[in-house]
Amino acid sequence: GAVVSQHPSWVICKSGTSVKIECRSLDFQATTMFWYRQFPKQSLMLMATSNEGSKATYEQGVEKDKFLINHASLTLSTLTVTSAHPEDSSFYICSAREPGTAIDNEQFFGPGTRLTVL
Amino acid sequence: AQTVTQSQPEMSVQEAETVTLSCTYDTSESDYYLFWYKQPPSRQMILVIRQEAYKQQNATENRFSVNFQKAAKSFSLKISDSQLGDAAMYFCAYRSPYSGGGADGLTFGKGTHLIIQP
Repeated sequence: GAVVSQHPSWVICKSGTSVKIECRSLDFQATTMFWYRQFPKQSLMLMATSNEGSKATYEQGVEKDKFLINHASLTLSTLTVTSAHPEDSSFYICSAREPGTAIDNEQFFGPGTRLTVL
Repeated sequence: AQTVTQSQPEMSVQEAETVTLSCTYDTSESDYYLFWYKQPPSRQMILVIRQEAYKQQNATENRFSVNFQKAAKSFSLKISDSQLGDAAMYFCAYRSPYSGGGADGLTFGKGTHLIIQP
């Protein structure tokens, strides 16, 4: 149980275009989802926290107009990188948790999405 | 804000030997969660072990155990009987006990690259 999927696993886009990444919890209801960014050979940095049906909370330094997050259902959160530029190239990882349950203190990670902006 | 420090960028151990990865953290909170995650070349984050700060007993999961020293704010991971499949990046992570507003996202250390020598 507790499986999180991401789609796509790898995307290449041209500079100036927008890219949407999906994060789905497959066998549980994820009231909270998290988006992390990982540069090559570096650690994961929390970008934002999204709660189903409400606005996302962005970490300091993360442009909310650049990285649009939507958490419209209990099993799906999306991250849209708008007007992507080469510096947005990175590995994006989502995770999910279900507050108030036995797995409350654990986050389940998706397999990640590699974004390359040309 | 909480910080997590992993002072060993890389560690190497002979197969079947024991290795200890270090992690220290800084927080003003009295209760929190600590985690060790493994990230193999596939980049899928895998939970290795977790510790609740209010528990004095060190967590153990098969060959993996922690040495949690709350006063020293230290949380080291010991891997016994190292196996080739243990080779990966290992990240130490901190989570606040609070929910909402991004408070329950994970703060990661920079990671330790573990090499297993056959």
